[in-house]
Amino acid sequence: GAGVSQTPSNKVTEKGKYVELRCDPISGHTALYWYRQSLGQGPEFLIYFQGTGAADDSGLPNDRFFAVRPEGSVSTLKIQRTERGDSAVYLCASSPRGTGGWNEQFFGPGTRLTVL
Amino acid sequence: GENVEQHPSTLSVQEGDSAVIKCTYSDSASNYFPWYKQELGKRPQLIIDIRSNVGEKKDQRIAVTLNKTAKHFSLHITETQPEDSAVYFCAALNSGYSTLTFGKGTMLLVSP
Repeated sequence: GAGVSQTPSNKVTEKGKYVELRCDPISGHTALYWYRQSLGQGPEFLIYFQGTGAADDSGLPNDRFFAVRPEGSVSTLKIQRTERGDSAVYLCASSPRGTGGWNEQFFGPGTRLTVL
Repeated sequence: GENVEQHPSTLSVQEGDSAVIKCTYSDSASNYFPWYKQELGKRPQLIIDIRSNVGEKKDQRIAVTLNKTAKHFSLHITETQPEDSAVYFCAALNSGYSTLTFGKGTMLLVSP
């Protein structure tokens, strides 16, 4: 079966613009995670969905960042008024279930965001 | 919150040697510890994981050990091969939060 997919693979934008990053999780996975990975660093947690609801959004750096998962499958990470410091690879991961789960998180290939 | 420290940041070995990467964590409630391998430009992929109810787990050339008292876990790769060259990340999960906290990674270079 298909793995986690993310689009676009690369996004170049100008400072101040709005961007949307999309994640298609593995079919049937109820848990979905967004991470941000800066150069030379490990993935940094942003937000976690269990089904349609955001179970934990404590990793979102500020209110310019927002994510949705309206039907419990595809998720979109939205960044308003982008800043150069937002440049990073944004990774999405999914797993069969979340809370209390020991389940492997399967990562997508990431979207490389560059803010000029 | 959880804090995961990983050492070394880079590790160079000769083919056939062993490699050891070490991590410490701060939250004693963490109970699941995966290791991910990330090749350049690729997605992180799970290579081995360990739960807090065991002290060691092995899968062919890869093993992970866990010391809950010391809040310390390590990845051991034996008989290293050039294709083992990649960045390795350790992580810790607190089941109460269901989110992984990653270390900063170790770049492993295996020379032929």
